[in-house]
Amino acid sequence: AQSVTQLDSHVSVSEGTPVLLRCNYSSSYSPSLFWYVQHPNKGLQLLLKYTSAATLVKGINGFEAEFKKSETSFHLTKPSAHMSDAAEYFCVVSDTGRRALTFGSGTRLQVQP
Amino acid sequence: NAGVTQTPKFQVLKTGQSMTLQCAQDMNHEYMSWYRQDPGMGLRLIHYSVGAGITDQGEVPNGYNVSRSTTEDFPLRLLSAAPSQTSVYFCASSPQGNGNTIYFGEGSWLTVV
Repeated sequence: AQSVTQLDSHVSVSEGTPVLLRCNYSSSYSPSLFWYVQHPNKGLQLLLKYTSAATLVKGINGFEAEFKKSETSFHLTKPSAHMSDAAEYFCVVSDTGRRALTFGSGTRLQVQP
Repeated sequence: NAGVTQTPKFQVLKTGQSMTLQCAQDMNHEYMSWYRQDPGMGLRLIHYSVGAGITDQGEVPNGYNVSRSTTEDFPLRLLSAAPSQTSVYFCASSPQGNGNTIYFGEGSWLTVV
């Protein structure tokens, strides 16, 4: 069985300050991990993914995440928040057998001017 | 390239009515799946398919049927709608292989009254 825990349901930062969205996972296999972003009333967009290559993964819009097997974590970071980053972010682990995803409950990022 | 197309985008149903959410992809992906999104719960897997003629249940399959007669289409049927099925529904597809990006449709907002 696999699971994903997003440690914060809501994060608020000021524009220009760093962003940290935390994610821990549990998986019986070598996981594929993803971060997706969802803007209000929109679909989901892939930010980045880890698939057992480099542990530091760079994504779109300046986001990156580091896979730490010893800590079973896959935290999402960005050096400087922008107003357009305000959205809901989902950490996701892939079930290799079913090609289906297990989602975390989401972290809503608020960016203050 | 249209990607994953879902219809309708919005629908209001009365309790007990039936309807079908359509999903089509033009990327020749083998894997397709349906998720529902409810507040504070991320996305949960309803049904999935690993190829034409093959379907299986996900985490929350009760009240939903699917079929996969072609590679392109994966409709989701609600046989007798209930208020508990009020949700946002997402269809997704991906190619074969671990770690491949999963593509989502833009979502279907369903309200059952």
